[in-house]
Amino acid sequence: RKEVEQDPGPFNVPEGATVAFNCTYSNSASQSFFWYRQDCRKEPKLLMSVYSSGNEDGRFTAQLNRASQYISLLIRDSKLSDSATYLCVVNMYDYGQNFVFGPGTRLSVLP
Amino acid sequence: NAGVTQTPKFRVLKTGQSMTLLCAQDMNHEYMYWYRQDPGMGLRLIHYSVGEGTTAKGEVPDGYNVSRLKKQNFLLGLESAAPSQTSVYFCASRGTSSSEQFFGPGTRLTVL
Repeated sequence: RKEVEQDPGPFNVPEGATVAFNCTYSNSASQSFFWYRQDCRKEPKLLMSVYSSGNEDGRFTAQLNRASQYISLLIRDSKLSDSATYLCVVNMYDYGQNFVFGPGTRLSVLP
Repeated sequence: NAGVTQTPKFRVLKTGQSMTLLCAQDMNHEYMYWYRQDPGMGLRLIHYSVGEGTTAKGEVPDGYNVSRLKKQNFLLGLESAAPSQTSVYFCASRGTSSSEQFFGPGTRLTVL
């Protein structure tokens, strides 16, 4: 089993739609969690960290369920500019070195 | 601030050739990383460094060597390139007080 797995995608949604991505991780000792965004042929960039209580940043909401070892990202009111690949990233220790990246879920927002 | 830069951006090698990829950061970050990204797979860690003069192996270190002689630079070497090393290589850095990694624009390497 891969350490970090994500919805295979791609997700094709119309503008204004709400879309949710799921991510599961295998190591129960994992301590910190992130969503990165990667545009086509570009470098990954941090979208948001994921906190135990869940957190929101504008149209983006991230949730963590430690018991189920599950992370989610919800995007509301999708924009064309949200089209990208979303990478789930898990780290075993706070500020540790082992950041494990999921394969990514591609999102295309259609006009 | 340029952030994280990588040279070259593209390179084509023949099997058995050697090359060095250069990563430079101007954010005074302690930690630096080299990843490779292949289709359908997440970024995989090749080597990393927790400070000047120190390096350590990541998940897929075979066939690669690294050096961190200066804090701002992290070099990735391929001694004898193989077609399996065809990939996009990303360098990243981060500071000690944050978990956010800053990535360079990547190097697209093809080994024929």
